[in-house]
Amino acid sequence: DGGITQSPKYLFRKEGQNVTLSCEQNLNHDAMYWYRQDPGQGLRLIYYSQIVNDFQKGDIAEGYSVSREKKESFPLTVTSAQKNPTAFYLCASSPSGTGRIGYTFGSGTRLTVV
Amino acid sequence: SQKIEQNSEALNIQEGKTATLTCNYTNYSPAYLQWYRQDPGRGPVFLLLIRENEKEKRKERLKVTFDTTLKQSLFHITASQPADSATYLCALEAGANSKLTFGKGITLSVRP
Repeated sequence: DGGITQSPKYLFRKEGQNVTLSCEQNLNHDAMYWYRQDPGQGLRLIYYSQIVNDFQKGDIAEGYSVSREKKESFPLTVTSAQKNPTAFYLCASSPSGTGRIGYTFGSGTRLTVV
Repeated sequence: SQKIEQNSEALNIQEGKTATLTCNYTNYSPAYLQWYRQDPGRGPVFLLLIRENEKEKRKERLKVTFDTTLKQSLFHITASQPADSATYLCALEAGANSKLTFGKGITLSVRP
């Protein structure tokens, strides 16, 4: 079955640590996205990539970094510079980088700072 | 500033009734508007897309309308069932060929 796989499902980070969230898709989609979801805030765009080896900042990129070395993979690193990283992180993909086609989402990673 | 508003945080209805969820937006001119369903602890699932030149779109018990004059989309679930209980998100393009911006969502509860 085609889809998006996010791992791990739960992640705990100590203060000052960097952590990397994995996102892999086998849908052959060109565009991939990372969103953050907080209670009452809706989904906010962190980074997106419309093609391999290229990515752009979203609305809340500070404290995060990404790479897109392969079409299938778009990992997100939450750095120690992100002051409030506890949230639910969602990865998505779409055939193109526009709103004319629905996005496919992964099942999310819940990150908690301990 | 650009804003997407979903009219209330929660909607409670009786099984069998029609649920109507509202999505209003300001300072956007979207060519497409989308609706998603999200269950607790899961990622959103795409339901329907409607284009600016379409007034209405249907899929089984779901119906979406798009009024670009009122800057509003209505999402209807007819003959609602407890299994329809979830959070429903609307999303639209922030500009031509751009990414989706999501509303905060409305939580629907259908009681038996």
